[in-house]
Amino acid sequence: GQNIDQPTEMTATEGAIVQINCTYQTSGFNGLFWYQQHAGEAPTFLSYNVLDGLEEKGRFSSFLSRSKGYSYLLLKELQMKDSASYLCAVRGEGSNDYKLSFGAGTTVTVRA
Amino acid sequence: DTEVTQTPKHLVMGMTNKKSLKCEQHMGHRAMYWYKQKAKKPPELMFVYSYEKLSINESVPSRFSPECPNSSLLNLHLHALQPEDSALYLCASSSSPGQTTEAFFGQGTRLTVV
Repeated sequence: GQNIDQPTEMTATEGAIVQINCTYQTSGFNGLFWYQQHAGEAPTFLSYNVLDGLEEKGRFSSFLSRSKGYSYLLLKELQMKDSASYLCAVRGEGSNDYKLSFGAGTTVTVRA
Repeated sequence: DTEVTQTPKHLVMGMTNKKSLKCEQHMGHRAMYWYKQKAKKPPELMFVYSYEKLSINESVPSRFSPECPNSSLLNLHLHALQPEDSALYLCASSSSPGQTTEAFFGQGTRLTVV
């Protein structure tokens, strides 16, 4: 089965940095994704990690440690438009290679 | 074109109605998905089609019936739904297995069952 945990809510100030942690215990692992979802809209892809280490994409970075079952998404220079839900998702392997299992999401509120 | 297009955007249906949700992508993706998302909850996988064949059914009730007419289209046929089926239904697509690419999501159909 899949167990993916992330904090429910986080609040930060415009211009600051926020780190969203995700821990997972899954029966198979073939990559971890981070998605951003604004209220009432579809999830949009932010980052993908399959090997240990840090992936950087502009203001967003994602880190993975497979041995610890741990990832984080780092949002820098926060902007008001970054207020959204951030979903951690793990991709299965083998017969579950297509399957993306999502965490409950972390709602980030950016304050002026 | 990195779009997944879903129609309709909103749907209100009675419990005795039959309706269909449609999804289309032209990215050459061979995997297509239906997810259900309730308010403030993560998307829950319902079905996966791989190369136009149903590969995963997450024990979804038979009142939801998926169909993949070709590699670009995915339908979800709805019949005799319950009010608790009201949710955002998301379609997604991705490349073949073994390729490390993300799933692209459509904007969703907001379904209300009355």
